[in-house]
Amino acid sequence: QSVMTQPPSASGTPGQRVTISCSGSSSNIGSNYVYWYQQLPGTAPKVRIYRNNQRPSGVPDRFSGSKSGTSASLAISGLRSEDEADYYCAAWDDSLSGWVFGGGTKLTVL
Amino acid sequence: QITLKESGPTLVKPTQTLTLTCTFSGFSLSTSGVGVGWIRQPPGKALEWLALIYWDDDKRYSPSLKSRLTITKDTSKNQVVLTMTNMDPVDTATYYCAHSGSYGGFDIWGQGTMVTVSS
Repeated sequence: QSVMTQPPSASGTPGQRVTISCSGSSSNIGSNYVYWYQQLPGTAPKVRIYRNNQRPSGVPDRFSGSKSGTSASLAISGLRSEDEADYYCAAWDDSLSGWVFGGGTKLTVL
Repeated sequence: QITLKESGPTLVKPTQTLTLTCTFSGFSLSTSGVGVGWIRQPPGKALEWLALIYWDDDKRYSPSLKSRLTITKDTSKNQVVLTMTNMDPVDTATYYCAHSGSYGGFDIWGQGTMVTVSS
């Protein structure tokens, strides 16, 4: 059972906007940055959002992140078939003195 | 360009010790703020952070696995080594190493190496 909670699945049709939530606590999301990773089937994770809402160079601006209190969200607009992947949130946890990942959300593009 | 690559055995027996090596290029682990972490992923399951070593040799471990893990670095060889003792079939997973830089988190990941624990 993960310290941070994500919905196991999400879906949308091409062109739609989808959001994936990540619920944590005061010791992780509430007091530290949130990161979002995309994991395409059979590949290593890639960072899509760092420090709550920053995009690495090369990541389309269709990807956006936000944080409020002890929750965070990843939004993907203009959904494309290549966005179909597993998405994980992550944050440092002050109580555990370590990194924690959410349980992951499988995004399906219908 | 930063790259990382994991290496080690693909099969270990229960109770054995696993030793994994992360060989990297494109950065130095003696640069302030830089770290290398290990994360694993059992088949079909979520990511789990294991350990992290920083440029100043500060080391952090997952509390649930701390007693079994040791992380070390060899700056001259551009390598980070993770050892995990008393391996069990539940430790079967893909093990990744990843770079941690000035923005925090893990920005560049290796391709991962699959380790199976079975007698």
